[in-house]
Amino acid sequence: SQTIHQWPATLVQPVGSPLSLECTVEGTSNPNLYWYRQAAGRGLQLLFYSVGIGQISSEVPQNLSASRPQDRQFILSSKKLLLSDSGFYLCAWSVLNEKLFFGSGTQLSVL
Amino acid sequence: QQQVKQSPQSLIVQKGGISIINCAYENTAFDYFPWYQQFPGKGPALLIAIRPDVSEKKEGRFTISFNKSAKQFSLHIMDSQPGDSATYFCAASSSGGYQKVTFGTGTKLQVIP
Repeated sequence: SQTIHQWPATLVQPVGSPLSLECTVEGTSNPNLYWYRQAAGRGLQLLFYSVGIGQISSEVPQNLSASRPQDRQFILSSKKLLLSDSGFYLCAWSVLNEKLFFGSGTQLSVL
Repeated sequence: QQQVKQSPQSLIVQKGGISIINCAYENTAFDYFPWYQQFPGKGPALLIAIRPDVSEKKEGRFTISFNKSAKQFSLHIMDSQPGDSATYFCAASSSGGYQKVTFGTGTKLQVIP
């Protein structure tokens, strides 16, 4: 069966520090991969999506970046965090453009 | 044209009552309409989904009603329970090449005893 791993679960980082969030998927090949951000009590904002290794599309201009070094690995990064980067970050995968399977999320607090 | 409009933003229902959440879309290319349920601190999970070739789909206490001509779909939760208290998101997507999934803004449901 397919599983998605996302870590860490919580993260507190100072403003200006770097960020690296990792997501891996097991049990499927060539999935579409996504990074979403959710502000407290708000909806889901798509940040990046990838349809294959090295193929990244950005939805929202910001100081975040994403990379997909392997078929089932998706990384969200920042060189210098801003206060506005705080939120709940969710990784997700799909095979077709239909059912999305979300990870358990990372609660990021930038102080 | 990519938007999915969801209402209400929040909903309070008595235990045993019916919870109804509505969504409307504009893009006629959408052909898959899922609903996701999210508990606090967790990722959303697929609850139920429908394709436009049927007008209704039922899974247990959860039913999707779909009106293709009106471009609307809704989630009905029958016999609502306190354990159903969560945020619900509708979504829409289209097949045939990559198209991003478009989410509604979410409805926070509270079922009170």
